[in-house]
Amino acid sequence: DSGVTQTPKHLITATGQRVTLRCSPRSGDLSVYWYQQSLDQGLQFLIQYYNGEERAKGNILERFSAQQFPDLHSELNLSSLELGDSALYFCASSVGQRGTEAFFGQGTRLTVV
Amino acid sequence: AQRVTQPEKLLSVFKGAPVELKCNYSYSGSPELFWYVQYSRQRLQLLLRHISRESIKGFTADLNKGETSFHLKKPFAQEEDSAMYYCALSGGGSYIPTFGRGTSLIVHP
Repeated sequence: DSGVTQTPKHLITATGQRVTLRCSPRSGDLSVYWYQQSLDQGLQFLIQYYNGEERAKGNILERFSAQQFPDLHSELNLSSLELGDSALYFCASSVGQRGTEAFFGQGTRLTVV
Repeated sequence: AQRVTQPEKLLSVFKGAPVELKCNYSYSGSPELFWYVQYSRQRLQLLLRHISRESIKGFTADLNKGETSFHLKKPFAQEEDSAMYYCALSGGGSYIPTFGRGTSLIVHP
């Protein structure tokens, strides 16, 4: 197991709702990354936090937001959900700020109905 | 802008056959290239990176700057190689990888 823990593993919700995905990084890792994996878009980088601060931003919609807490866990908030938001959301973590050295969690599968 | 193209969504081979998963990239500077693998119901994990010039699980990949390619090869495919493979690139001081859309490799017995 990589040590990156994501909860919940599965989530089914209705359009217009709001959900929160949670990620606990590996012990000692300061960076957390969020990715969205969908059938049509592939694996897309959303956002990175390092030691509580936003470090890099990718293709993250305004309806989505994230934060990293003092204990370094992170949450990804998705609001006003649409059918197209259905995807696998991955969290990854690394000691430093190199996303290329990040370890991935097993993902949260979000289904919007 | 940096871009990674994996032209094949699906690659199906028989056990023992050679495998080549194609990856082409677009980047103006000197990129770092990577291959990631995702086995069924498992997490995405780094398979190899071009700067290491190593062979992992029998897979190798050579960076061809002239053709802007980083194809993943294995001379004899095994059933356990069946997985989703992603080519990725980072460069320009950004260490956030840009991923291709992935190729699903199926190795039949």
